Amino acid sequence: DVVMTQSPLSLPVTLGQPASISCRSSQSLVHSDGNTYLSWFQQRPGQSPRRLIYKVSNRDSGVPDRFSGSGSGTDFTLKISRVEAEDVGVYYCMQGTHWPPWTFGQGTKVEIK
Amino acid sequence: EVQLVESGGGLVQPGGSLRLSCVASGFTFSTSWMYWVRQAPGKGLVWVSHIRGDGSGTTYADSVKGRFTISRDNAKNTLYLQMNSLRAEDTAVYFCARGGFEMWGQGTMVTVSS
Repeated sequence: DVVMTQSPLSLPVTLGQPASISCRSSQSLVHSDGNTYLSWFQQRPGQSPRRLIYKVSNRDSGVPDRFSGSGSGTDFTLKISRVEAEDVGVYYCMQGTHWPPWTFGQGTKVEIK
Repeated sequence: EVQLVESGGGLVQPGGSLRLSCVASGFTFSTSWMYWVRQAPGKGLVWVSHIRGDGSGTTYADSVKGRFTISRDNAKNTLYLQMNSLRAEDTAVYFCARGGFEMWGQGTMVTVSS
């Protein structure tokens, strides 16, 4: 199974400042079809997860452009250019290249300082 | 409106059974791969099971294989998860999700306890 490792697990940030979350996979996430199936999810307190980014860097509809995804192979990053209060929550990366199983990272808790 | 609504959760004794449902609306359910994902209290997300659009293929996490069965009724736009031989470690909120996990339901809580 592919292991997804996120860092940091806790990220206190100042409003208006940037934030960055790293996600590493135990093997390359490049699929034989040429795509890389790495997604990012946001889970606000008390809510269901919401997909923000798919295939490394594609933002879902309605996701603010302050969120961006990048990376390749085994190394990926989610960046928030300027953190807002509504961004508080837990962020997960997930791989969908080598399934089953689909595997998630442990989650990174973003909170305001 | 595109929506997934889960139901069927509750309190069950160890060794018991429960069937979860997920009703879909606002999209073509019959062509969508569907998933169950669970989240134990205070913990992260864990994929449980998946089923292809026509029901022709299913997969399961090792932790539930042989105990849980995923199915769907495309005429009723409904996804199911039959959970047997439940254990305390199955206690979690169970979410259904669609396609590339692009959409999730609100979840239903399953508590396994005596």
